[in-house]
Amino acid sequence: QINLRESGPALVKPTQTLTLTCTFSGFSLGSSGVGVSWVRQPPGKALEWLALIYWDDDTRYSPSLRSRLNITKDTSKSQVFLTLTDLGPVDTATYFCAHYDYHTSEMASWGQGTLVTVSS
Amino acid sequence: SLVLTQPPSVSVAPGETARISCGGNNIGSVGVHWYQKRPGQAPLMVMYYDSDRPSGIPERFSGSNSANTATLTISRVEAGDEADYYCQAWDTSSDLPVFGGGTKLTVL
Repeated sequence: QINLRESGPALVKPTQTLTLTCTFSGFSLGSSGVGVSWVRQPPGKALEWLALIYWDDDTRYSPSLRSRLNITKDTSKSQVFLTLTDLGPVDTATYFCAHYDYHTSEMASWGQGTLVTVSS
Repeated sequence: SLVLTQPPSVSVAPGETARISCGGNNIGSVGVHWYQKRPGQAPLMVMYYDSDRPSGIPERFSGSNSANTATLTISRVEAGDEADYYCQAWDTSSDLPVFGGGTKLTVL
C-alpha cells in the first residue's frame, strides 16, 4: 500500500523560502518508472501542477514557477523536497505530493496535503 | 502546449447521468486521467488512461476519449458524488503533466 505525507511550516512570511517534505512508503524512488509530483490548490481555486522528480533524478517544473521552484529527493529516506522561493500571498495553498507513474502519467496515490499560508 | 478545458459546473438530479467533458487539441492521442476532489480531502483518482477504473471506484463511473474531447460519465448520480472533478494528461510538446481547470458537480 502506498502512503504519502506532506510536512512543512503552516505559516511563512512574504519573501521567505518554503521547504516542504514528502515522506512516502510502499514504493521506492529508486525503481524505474517511478516519480513524485507536487500539486497545489489555492483556496477556492483549481489544482495546479508544480513539479516532478523521477527515479533517475530527471526533474520537470511548471513553466510559470520554474525560476522559483526546486525539487530534490533522498531515495534512502523515501523523501522528496520542494523548495519555493520569494513567497507571496498568492502562494497560499494546500500543497499535495503524489506518486507519479512515468509510463502512464497518472497520479494514483496522494498525500492528505499541507496548508501553507503566506502572511506577515 | 496542451490546454485542457472543462466546463466550470455541471448540475444533475440524483439518479440521472452526469457527463463532464475535457477538451484539448488531439487529446485522443494521449491518456487522460480524472480526479475527484472534495473540500478538505486529497484528490482521488477515479479514472485512468481514459476508461480504466481504479479498484474501489464504482462501476457507475466510466470514461471515454476521442479526438479532441475526453468525457467522464457518472451514471445514477448520488449525493456523495458532489465534488470537483479534474482531468489530467501529459503534454507531449512540453513534456509536462497538465490539469484541466476543474468542474464542480452539483447534485440537485
